[in-house]
Amino acid sequence: DSGVTQTPKHLITATGQRVTLRCSPRSGDLSVYWYQQSLDQGLQFLIQYYNGEERAKGNILERFSAQQFPDLHSELNLSSLELGDSALYFCASSHRSVGNTIYFGEGSWLTVV
Amino acid sequence: AQKITQTQPGMFVQEKEAVTLDCTYDTSDQSYGLFWYKQPSSGEMIFLIYQGSYDEQNATEGRYSLNFQKARKSANLVISASQLGDSAMYFCAMRRLQNRDDKIIFGKGTRLHILP
Repeated sequence: DSGVTQTPKHLITATGQRVTLRCSPRSGDLSVYWYQQSLDQGLQFLIQYYNGEERAKGNILERFSAQQFPDLHSELNLSSLELGDSALYFCASSHRSVGNTIYFGEGSWLTVV
Repeated sequence: AQKITQTQPGMFVQEKEAVTLDCTYDTSDQSYGLFWYKQPSSGEMIFLIYQGSYDEQNATEGRYSLNFQKARKSANLVISASQLGDSAMYFCAMRRLQNRDDKIIFGKGTRLHILP
């Protein structure tokens, strides 16, 4: 158990819909990262937050948004879903130091039909 | 630009043999961290081992060791005495922390198959 909690674990939804993925970081971790992994693909960095503030943005679509709340949990909102958005979405957390390990949640499997 | 390269898309190794998974990286930073993760078919990302850019000794964690060659910018993962349960996807990653920018980038991964 990495200590990073993601919900839901599995989600099936229709095209055009909107979903919210939730992440609770490890206790004490202020940094939260979101990644997308499509079938047989590597991990694509989406966005990073530190203590509620957006710090880095990757290849995140305009239809996607995220935030980190005062209690440090984070949500990734995916809207106007398309078939190509089907993927495994990971949340990870860490202390803010190069030497600190980044721990991943179990991921949220999103299937868009 | 930061980049991680894993040149072996797939590998087949006999059980109990040692295996080396290659990873090279590109960065102009002096301070960075290198990580290896294992992703079994169930999907979770499991942290295996970490090496800091200033660490003089190679990191080891049980059957895992990291062959760190800073001048060559390589950080190969060595798994000794491979087991069937080692069959998985393996990702090399690099973390840089510069000013407000905290990025972790991943290679495309190597799929390891352990043969009985």
